[in-house]
Amino acid sequence: EDQVTQSPEALRLQEGESSSLNCSYTVSGLRGLFWYRQDPGKGPEFLFTLYSAGEEKEKERLKATLTKKESFLHITAPKPEDSATYLCAVKTQGGSEKLVFGKGTKLTVNP
Amino acid sequence: NAGVTQTPKFRILKIGQSMTLQCTQDMNHNYMYWYRQDPGMGLKLIYYSVGAGITDKGEVPNGYNVSRSTTEDFPLRLELAAPSQTSVYFCASTLSEDTQYFGPGTRLTVL
Repeated sequence: EDQVTQSPEALRLQEGESSSLNCSYTVSGLRGLFWYRQDPGKGPEFLFTLYSAGEEKEKERLKATLTKKESFLHITAPKPEDSATYLCAVKTQGGSEKLVFGKGTKLTVNP
Repeated sequence: NAGVTQTPKFRILKIGQSMTLQCTQDMNHNYMYWYRQDPGMGLKLIYYSVGAGITDKGEVPNGYNVSRSTTEDFPLRLELAAPSQTSVYFCASTLSEDTQYFGPGTRLTVL
């Protein structure tokens, strides 16, 4: 069974304190790994898609990386507006375009 | 473009009542999905559709029904509401590729 595990469940940072969120996965054939941001009371907002080990993508203070077993979302010099829940999801071979989501990491950045 | 829209935003049902959650997308996407999100549990796929007239079950379909008569609309029907269906429901769509775009969600409480 395809599984996605995110850690930590919650993370508190001071403004400017860089850190990383982890997403580990066990799947039957990865077709893509996705990172979403979700603000309270809102739907998930797409951030990145990664397709193969070694791939990296960046957007402002966020950088996502991918290995054969896990992905990291690196947050450099975070600001309070980066506070949100970050969701990881995978699409597997033969999955009919379905995503399997992790439970998310709730990030709080204090000023 | 409005993207993915969902109505209503909030609803309270009594046990045994029925209702339909509406989802509409204006991006001409062929794939559409319904998820539910419970606190700390991530997103679970209820039903999905690969095009008008074609639907299939996801991970947690019991107690729900869907139909897809047009490309734009993908309503989710709850029959005989139960407290276990208290959740936040998200609709999403994609154009046969990877990025799923989510609506703002419907918060449903069954009492």
